[in-house]
Amino acid sequence: GAVVSQHPSRVICKSGTSVKIECRSLDFQATTMFWYRQFPKQSLMLMATSNEGSKATYEQGVEKDKFLINHASLTLSTLTVTSAHPEDSSFYICSARDGRASWMLFGSGTQLSVL
Amino acid sequence: AQSVTQPDIHITVSEGASLELRCNYSYGATPYLFWYVQSPGQGLQLLLKYFSGDTLVQGIKGFEAEFKRSQSSFNLRKPSVHWSDAAEYFCAVALTGGGNKLTFGTGTQLKVEL
Repeated sequence: GAVVSQHPSRVICKSGTSVKIECRSLDFQATTMFWYRQFPKQSLMLMATSNEGSKATYEQGVEKDKFLINHASLTLSTLTVTSAHPEDSSFYICSARDGRASWMLFGSGTQLSVL
Repeated sequence: AQSVTQPDIHITVSEGASLELRCNYSYGATPYLFWYVQSPGQGLQLLLKYFSGDTLVQGIKGFEAEFKRSQSSFNLRKPSVHWSDAAEYFCAVALTGGGNKLTFGTGTQLKVEL
């Protein structure tokens, strides 16, 4: 069945480095994917909407140069956290909607820890 | 502004007891309504959804929710809670016709006592 696969599940990096997170739609194509950020014991906050073949749409307050989004195919969107700093440490989750269904599927999330 | 409120941050129930998690929304029209569950360090799993029609919807794992337009509420219920139901529960809404951009409530952490 349709699944959203997110990788890696956990990443630890040094401050100043860049980290790439992948989000794949399995068994369906997704022209649009969504990236959320979740702080401990808090809700999900939408960061950006990833659009296949075009620029991502960022929510207010999200730095587009810090969080680079690429959606080069109908099954893959990537989020790159550039020059990561400890304040970027968070749980990042992607989602996509299978066109055959009417609800959003979520990846299993990526825990980013910046030292 | 559009918003989703989950008044209860934490709820503790005994196994076998009934459960009700509250959700209120503030939107100009009736939105799509969802309940998701999240286990620690995991993504979100859809429990149930309401788009239109019967206001009492059944979901997975024995959960149900009732849409009450007059109260702008979509409360989640389960008659008998199991220890495995311990998790974080999120109510979410999307604009009618949009269906994609979800706005989440702050979540309710459910603890189940054995």
